[in-house]
Amino acid sequence: DAKTTQPNSMESNEEEPVHLPCNHSTISGTDYIHWYRQLPSQGPEYVIHGLTSNVNNRMASLAIAEDRKSSTLILHRATLRDAAVYYCILRGFSNFGNEKLTFGTGTRLTIIP
Amino acid sequence: DAGITQSPRHKVTETGTPVTLRCHQTENHRYMYWYRQDPGHGLRLIHYSYGVKDTDKGEVSDGYSVSRSKTEDFLLTLESATSSQTSVYFCAISESGTSEYNEQFFGPGTRLTVL
Repeated sequence: DAKTTQPNSMESNEEEPVHLPCNHSTISGTDYIHWYRQLPSQGPEYVIHGLTSNVNNRMASLAIAEDRKSSTLILHRATLRDAAVYYCILRGFSNFGNEKLTFGTGTRLTIIP
Repeated sequence: DAGITQSPRHKVTETGTPVTLRCHQTENHRYMYWYRQDPGHGLRLIHYSYGVKDTDKGEVSDGYSVSRSKTEDFLLTLESATSSQTSVYFCAISESGTSEYNEQFFGPGTRLTVL
């Protein structure tokens, strides 16, 4: 499986934008970039995914480098409820749906009031 | 929220005893997964199922078995629990057969302690 590299931890002030980086230099052409987050004492939850183009949804934005070797999850205005561990994951394309999510250790985001 | 429940939510058991964890879904999703989460390791896949009676191993399957006799239930069994299996166990489900839309929904987790 292609590997991702994320900083172990980051801090941000409340109500400011947060940029969470992810490096994936061995990404293949068919790998999707997925982001999940895990709030304290909960299971992970899906945040966003993309392939080549930048993506926006109600939770966040995903900026993907032109060479696809890195990406950045952007929280536009962090709140205390965004404090979580954020996982950047590569997903290969499959018609069978049994591809696995390979979680690294993620980035622990702390929001400072 | 996706309808996923796990039982029990907490369990303390002794080394050598069998343990079964249950994952139940009400979403009729085809795919189900069992992960364990330990400090410093993130989540690691134990086993997964891609249909009734269809299962396969993940990266940390030794010491675990699974069964899926109906769509809504996926059981994880520790035949003879060891202290190294003390962990938080998460069940997940997903619907689609293509990677792009194969969002996984996770249950609340089961905290297992093996003494």
